[in-house]
Amino acid sequence: GAGVSQSPRYKVAKRGQDVALRCDPISGHVSLFWYQQALGQGPEFLTYFQNEAQLDKSGLPSDRFFAERPEGSVSTLKIQRTQQEDSAVYLCASSYLAGIPETQYFGPGTRLLVL
Amino acid sequence: DQQVKQNSPSLSVQEGRISILNCDYTNSMFDYFLWYKKYPAEGPTFLISISSIKDKNEDGRFTVFLNKSAKHLSLHIVPSQPGDSAVYFCAASAGSGGSNYKLTFGKGTLLTVNP
Repeated sequence: GAGVSQSPRYKVAKRGQDVALRCDPISGHVSLFWYQQALGQGPEFLTYFQNEAQLDKSGLPSDRFFAERPEGSVSTLKIQRTQQEDSAVYLCASSYLAGIPETQYFGPGTRLLVL
Repeated sequence: DQQVKQNSPSLSVQEGRISILNCDYTNSMFDYFLWYKKYPAEGPTFLISISSIKDKNEDGRFTVFLNKSAKHLSLHIVPSQPGDSAVYFCAASAGSGGSNYKLTFGKGTLLTVNP
């Protein structure tokens, strides 16, 4: 079956522009996670959904970052008024069982470059 | 404040020899540890994990050792193969309190296995 897919794979934005990053999880996976990976760093947790409910958004770096999963499947991470420090790879992961970490399957990521 | 540290950015070994990747952590609440492998332009993929109640877990050529008192874990790959060349991330989660889905990653170690 298909894995986690993310689009676009690459995005170049001008500073101040709004961007939307999409994640299509593995079918049937109720849990969905977003991570941010800056250059030379490991992934950092941003937010977690169980179905359509956003249960943890403690990792979102500012109120410019907003995530949604309205129907409990596809998720969108939106960044408003992008800044250069937002440049990173944004990884999405999905899981059939959130309580078992090794069940998180990662997508290939969206590389965002803010100029 | 990095809670999971991988102090070696890179490691180079000969095919057939042992690869040892190290990881240290500072948060004593961490009780579950995972290793991920990442190829360029792909998301991390789960490799092996260990619970804090164990000191060793083995899966084929991969063995993870955990030293709780030293807050140190290591991944051994024997024998190393060229296809093992990738970035390896150490990750940890805190199971108690219901947030075991939240993974904290190290910066990664680039392993190169030379034929």
